[in-house]
Amino acid sequence: AQSVTQLDSQVPVFEEAPVELRCNYSSSVSVYLFWYVQYPNQGLQLLLKYLSGSTLVKGINGFEAEFNKSQTSFHLRKPSVHISDTAEYFCAVSEGNTGFQKLVFGTGTRLLVSP
Amino acid sequence: EAGVTQFPSHSVIEKGQTVTLRCDPISGHDNLYWYRRVMGKEIKFLLHFVKESKQDESGMPNNRFLAERTGGTYSTLKVQPAELEDSGVYFCASSQDRGLWSYNEQFFGPGTRLTVL
Repeated sequence: AQSVTQLDSQVPVFEEAPVELRCNYSSSVSVYLFWYVQYPNQGLQLLLKYLSGSTLVKGINGFEAEFNKSQTSFHLRKPSVHISDTAEYFCAVSEGNTGFQKLVFGTGTRLLVSP
Repeated sequence: EAGVTQFPSHSVIEKGQTVTLRCDPISGHDNLYWYRRVMGKEIKFLLHFVKESKQDESGMPNNRFLAERTGGTYSTLKVQPAELEDSGVYFCASSQDRGLWSYNEQFFGPGTRLTVL
């Protein structure tokens, strides 16, 4: 069975500082990897995804993530955060090679950006 | 184009009562998913419809939960009778069908926050 671990439940950071949100997964098969963001009172929005190919993927709002197969990680990074990045971020995995698999989520990381 | 919509946005009911949640997927999306997040925990898969058929209902917690998608359009999730542990946020997502071997992005609704007292 697949699982996703987000060890940091909350990450406080100052505006314009860099940030990394950690995600590790376990799976016995190839996977697709995702980061979703949930802004207050909104639904989940896809930030970026890894399906295949280049291990460094770029998403919306200046975020990027790197797939590391040997470490089974997919950490999310942004070199300079804004107040508007305050939200909850979810890492998710689905079984690769098929488009209909359910998403398995981590517990989420709340990013708190202060001035 | 309208996104995935869910109704109601909030529901507060007492233990033992019945609640029905509704999800309207993006028009033309054959795949519809239900997920649930219990407070502080991960978002968990409940079930997956392809059109009106249940493709995977392995995440449904017990027989107090009944999901339907008549006509392959909107879906309802009924909880009867509701228990305290059913409290949480229920998300619906939909995706197109580009084929089994293609990636089909899931688009999420804003969720329904259910509180059982």
